[in-house]
This record gives sequence, C-alpha cells and structure tokens, in this order.
Amino acid sequence: SQQGEEDPQALSIQEGENATMNCSYKTSINNLQWYRQNSGRGLVHLILIRSNEREKHSGRLRVTLDTSKKSSSLLITASRAADTASYFCATVSQTSGSRLTFGEGTQLTVNP
Amino acid sequence: DGGITQSPKYLFRKEGQNVTLSCEQNLNHDAMYWYRQDPGQGLRLIYYSQIVNDFQKGDIAEGYSVSREKKESFPLTVTSAQKNPTAFYLCASIRGGLYGGNQPQHFGDGTRLSIL
Repeated sequence: SQQGEEDPQALSIQEGENATMNCSYKTSINNLQWYRQNSGRGLVHLILIRSNEREKHSGRLRVTLDTSKKSSSLLITASRAADTASYFCATVSQTSGSRLTFGEGTQLTVNP
Repeated sequence: DGGITQSPKYLFRKEGQNVTLSCEQNLNHDAMYWYRQDPGQGLRLIYYSQIVNDFQKGDIAEGYSVSREKKESFPLTVTSAQKNPTAFYLCASIRGGLYGGNQPQHFGDGTRLSIL
C-alpha cells in the first residue's frame, strides 16, 4: 500500500525559480528518502533524512522532516530546465526492514 | 562501472504467455526488489529478496514469480495469471540486505511490458 502522498501532483515553474514539493505519510518511520525519475528511466536517489533529523542539504536541494506532522518537503533552489522530472518520496517504516513505500510523485516542469 | 542492468528494455507478451524480465547487479548488494509502475503513479512492490535462495511477496505479488539462485541475479516472471501486465517494471538493489534500511536503493532503467 502507498502511504506517501506528494503535493502538488504537478508543478510548472520558470528557470531560476524555487520548487517546493511536499510529502505526507501515515506510519512511524525510520527514514524518508527522495528520488528523481526522468521520463522512461529508473529512479535516482537524491537524499535520505533519518527520523531524528530535521533538515538536510545537498547542493541545491534542501529537505525538511517534521515527524510530529508526518510530513517532509523537498526544496530545489534556482531550478534549471534539466531539473524537469518526477520526484518521489519514499519511507522506510520502523517495522519494514529495508522495504520502501513510495508516494505517487510530483511531476516538475521547469520552463526555460 | 557498477550498476543494475535490466533487459530487455521493451517486451511484448501474447495472451497466455509467460515472460521473464532479467535483472543483474554487480554492486555486491544483498537485497533486490521488483517494482511495478503504472502511468503517472508511484512504485508498487511486487517481490523482494534479502538473501540468496530467499524471497518474500510484496504488495502486488499475484500473477508474478521470482527466483534468487545467485546474489547477482533476480529474474521476474510475469505469468499468464497476471491479467493486466502492461506497465513499467523496475528492479532495485540495496547494500546491507535486512539491515539496509538506512541505505539508498539503486535502480535499473526498467523494462516496459506491453500486451500484443
């Protein structure tokens, strides 16, 4: 079953703008991960944030985690046309071992 | 370069036919996973294997079968019992197996399966 839900489902912005995607989940988690998928390709891991962390950065990416609200956000700053892709959050619950549960994804389009 | 190789990239299935999707990894990862992705949707887990000769059903295992005879290989068979097999199938692996929950999953580039 899918426990992650991304919001919005689709986002269209201009190059140079920031893009924010949100993810909500239902159960207690061990960690939350964000992945990117270019059209017709496999997923690429972007960032992992553990349940005891509140914020993490990687280059132009910033992820926050609020376990009290069971939500996370992914911010991409100074977006580029090459950032156009689908972005998925995925959770590892405290009882699932290494199993990931994926959300439905956000389709980001960055217009040149 | 280490990675996951899925083949074929495109596959067509006839009525009543079983087809097998290949997934090979040279990352020396313990656990491997098969996901199904339908258009505009997220990934759903079909089967996973944490060690050789062992595998567990995921959320949508009906109509599928797997084997894990070698650490590097985790083939997925889509049987004739799967009435709606048209989808994008993704294979992934993770270091650490049962204890790999804090590791990212590495994905292949998928196989797109269609019905003839």
